[in-house]
Amino acid sequence: RKEVEQDPGPFNVPEGATVAFNCTYSNSASQSFFWYRQDCRKEPKLLMSVYSSGNEDGRFTAQLNRASQYISLLIRDSKLSDSATYLCAVKSQGGKLIFGQGTELSVKP
Amino acid sequence: DTGVSQDPRHKITKRGQNVTFRCDPISEHNRLYWYRQTLGQGPEFLTYFQNEAQLEKSRLLSDRFSAERPKGSFSTLEIQRTEQGDSAMYLCASSLDGRDYEQYFGPGTRLTVT
Repeated sequence: RKEVEQDPGPFNVPEGATVAFNCTYSNSASQSFFWYRQDCRKEPKLLMSVYSSGNEDGRFTAQLNRASQYISLLIRDSKLSDSATYLCAVKSQGGKLIFGQGTELSVKP
Repeated sequence: DTGVSQDPRHKITKRGQNVTFRCDPISEHNRLYWYRQTLGQGPEFLTYFQNEAQLEKSRLLSDRFSAERPKGSFSTLEIQRTEQGDSAMYLCASSLDGRDYEQYFGPGTRLTVT
């Protein structure tokens, strides 16, 4: 079993839709969690950190469920420019990030 | 530009040749990480440095791979006797030291081994 797992998608949604991604992790001792966005053939860019109480940044909401060991990302009112691959990452002991394989999102007009 | 930079951006080499990549982290960041990413997968950890000390190496890092960060600033990743399976994007990231500090990635070096 992989340490961090995501549904690879692709998720094809119309503009304005709400879409949610989930990510599960296996190490219950994990402390820090992140969502990165990666455009085609580009580097991952930090989208948001995920805090225990949940956090929101505009149209994006991230939540953490420690009991079930998953994190989620909700995108509301999706835009064409949201089309990308979304990577969840768990910070392991020592600081390295363990990534899921990424979930591809395609927002259509 | 004060972000993470990597050089070269693209490298095409023949099997068996040696290649070296460079990463310049964000100036005040004391941690530097190397990852490798293949198509359809998330980045996989290779190794990391805190200042000049290499603190962890992945099992993915075979004896053909070596990384250095001699003065605690820029880092190099060398691959000796390249194989076709080494073809990937090599990403460098940097961060401050601490549990909650985010890692920021450079643009990557795309290696193609023919």
